[in-house]
Amino acid sequence: GAGVSQSPSNKVTEKGKDVELRCDPISGHTALYWYRQSLGQGLEFLIYFQGNSAPDKSGLPSDRFSAERTGGSVSTLTIQRTQQEDSAVYLCASREGLFSYNEQFFGPGTRLTVL
Amino acid sequence: AQTVTQSQPEMSVQEAETVTLSCTYDTSESDYYLFWYKQPPSRQMILVIRQEAYKQQNATENRFSVNFQKAAKSFSLKISDSQLGDAAMYFCAYSNYQLIWGAGTKLIIKP
Repeated sequence: GAGVSQSPSNKVTEKGKDVELRCDPISGHTALYWYRQSLGQGLEFLIYFQGNSAPDKSGLPSDRFSAERTGGSVSTLTIQRTQQEDSAVYLCASREGLFSYNEQFFGPGTRLTVL
Repeated sequence: AQTVTQSQPEMSVQEAETVTLSCTYDTSESDYYLFWYKQPPSRQMILVIRQEAYKQQNATENRFSVNFQKAAKSFSLKISDSQLGDAAMYFCAYSNYQLIWGAGTKLIIKP
């Protein structure tokens, strides 16, 4: 079956503009995660969804960042008034459930460049 | 809170040889899962191997195996017969409702 997909694969924007990043998880996966990865760095947790609810938003770096998930499927990460420090790869992952043994399946990421 | 530490930012190994990547973690839980993920330059994150803390036997997947030391909270990854395609960032992760990630180790394979 299809894996996790993300769009766009690359996004170049000007400082101050808003951007939307999309994630399509694997069908039936109830848990969805957003991460940010700066060049050569590890994964920074941003937010996760269980169904359409986001029990943990603790990783969102500022109120310019928001995310939603509809229909227990597609998720959108929105960054308002982008700043240069927002430049990074944004990774989405989905998981069948919240059990510890469930692996996360990752999308290919969106590379965001803020000029 | 759980933490995961990878103390080797970069490792290199000659093709066909064996390399071990280190990972330590901290938790007060008794049963949990640990994962190793690989991220090649394509940036697609791929699961390499997983280990349940409840099981004493070390997990093995072809050329990849782990040395799981529960008391020491250590979870190292051994790659045997290294191949050029193994070159990637390797991340160790502890699993609860989310994954707690280490900072990663960049593995370089020398031909």
